[in-house]
Amino acid sequence: AQSVAQPEDQVNVAEGNPLTVKCTYSVSGNPYLFWYVQYPNRGLQFLLKYITGDNLVKGSYGFEAEFNKSQTSFHLKKPSALVSDSALYFCAVRDMSSFNKFYFGSGTKLNVKP
Amino acid sequence: DTAVSQTPKYLVTQMGNDKSIKCEQNLGHDTMYWYKQDSKKFLKIMFSYNNKELIINETVPNRFSPKSPDKAHLNLHINSLELGDSAVYFCASSQVRVGPSYNEQFFGPGTRLTVL
Repeated sequence: AQSVAQPEDQVNVAEGNPLTVKCTYSVSGNPYLFWYVQYPNRGLQFLLKYITGDNLVKGSYGFEAEFNKSQTSFHLKKPSALVSDSALYFCAVRDMSSFNKFYFGSGTKLNVKP
Repeated sequence: DTAVSQTPKYLVTQMGNDKSIKCEQNLGHDTMYWYKQDSKKFLKIMFSYNNKELIINETVPNRFSPKSPDKAHLNLHINSLELGDSAVYFCASSQVRVGPSYNEQFFGPGTRLTVL
């Protein structure tokens, strides 16, 4: 079965510092991986995805993610955090063999302090 | 030009009532989903329709019944509402056809349901 794990409920980082939000996955077949962000009282917004190709994927708002097949990880990163990046982040995997079901992680709350 | 819209945004109702939430997408996608987000922010898929056909039906009480009149609309009807149904319900859509432009889901703004 496909699954996604986000081991940290919360990540705290100072503004201007680099940030990493961790995600590991378990899939059979090729992984189709996604990151979404949810601001308070809003729906999820797509940030970036890995389908194939370069292991470093660039997305919206200066975020990037590194796909690591050997470690089955897809960590979200940003070189310099902003206070406005504070939100809830979800990692997801798309299961192409199961009616395109998306499996979401439990979410990681990112707090960026000024 | 909202991509995925839901109505209503807020829904407050009494236990035992029946209510509906509507969702519409103007992205031309062929697959739509309903998710439930609980108070701990955990996101759980409930249903999915592809071209008006139910393709995902997770372990959800029979009181929940989705309906897709066409591939741009997916509604959720809930009978005999219970306290535990209080949550935020998100509609989403995606294109099933494989390709780099088609894989992500687009989410609606959510409907916050409060059952008293």
